Amino acid sequence: EADIYQTPRYLVIGTGKKITLECSQTMGHDKMYWYQQDPGMELHLIHYSYGVNSTEKGDLSSESTVSRIRTEHFPLTLESARPSHTSQYLCASSVGFGYTFGSGTRLTVV
Amino acid sequence: DQQVKQNSPSLSVQEGRISILNCDYTNSMFDYFLWYKKYPAEGPTFLISISSIKDKNEDGRFTVFLNKSAKHLSLHIVPSQPGDSAVYFCAASQYNQGGKLIFGQGTELSVKP
Repeated sequence: EADIYQTPRYLVIGTGKKITLECSQTMGHDKMYWYQQDPGMELHLIHYSYGVNSTEKGDLSSESTVSRIRTEHFPLTLESARPSHTSQYLCASSVGFGYTFGSGTRLTVV
Repeated sequence: DQQVKQNSPSLSVQEGRISILNCDYTNSMFDYFLWYKKYPAEGPTFLISISSIKDKNEDGRFTVFLNKSAKHLSLHIVPSQPGDSAVYFCAASQYNQGGKLIFGQGTELSVKP
């Protein structure tokens, strides 16, 4: 049973649309992360949060934004989707070094 | 500059044999290392980890070895099973960097019956 949930699992959307990828966790973890991964490539950290109202950009520059208004919720928003945003987006939460990942959102922008 | 590298994109092994997946890192400040397993269209799941104060950690069929002087770690799976077929990611972390994980590119393991 998953303790971290991502929706949608798959999304195909047209260029220029605004999208929000949802991520929620039930473990009460303070730390949450968004990673982006393309096939055959490493997971790149694009955003992280160490608690409510705390968000930081990761190592990979991203046009997306995040918010952390509640401990359990860490949504990612793209104001205007482009084909270059096509990728898999993985949300995770952690306590110490123990990361739990969601199932990911496979985003395709056409 | 990639701090964690998995130079073998794929590995094919016969069922029952040993699988050895390798990982190199460049940052000597890393103090914790982890292996994750990932199936297509799913998130990574934790497999095994090792602290920099150890050189070996074993959990059932999985053993991770750490060679700090060579900045190298490896994951051994023995015996390999078809259900082990997946992409394996090596990850490293530095405690004073807030526990953020840096991942390698992954190695796709295929275990053939």
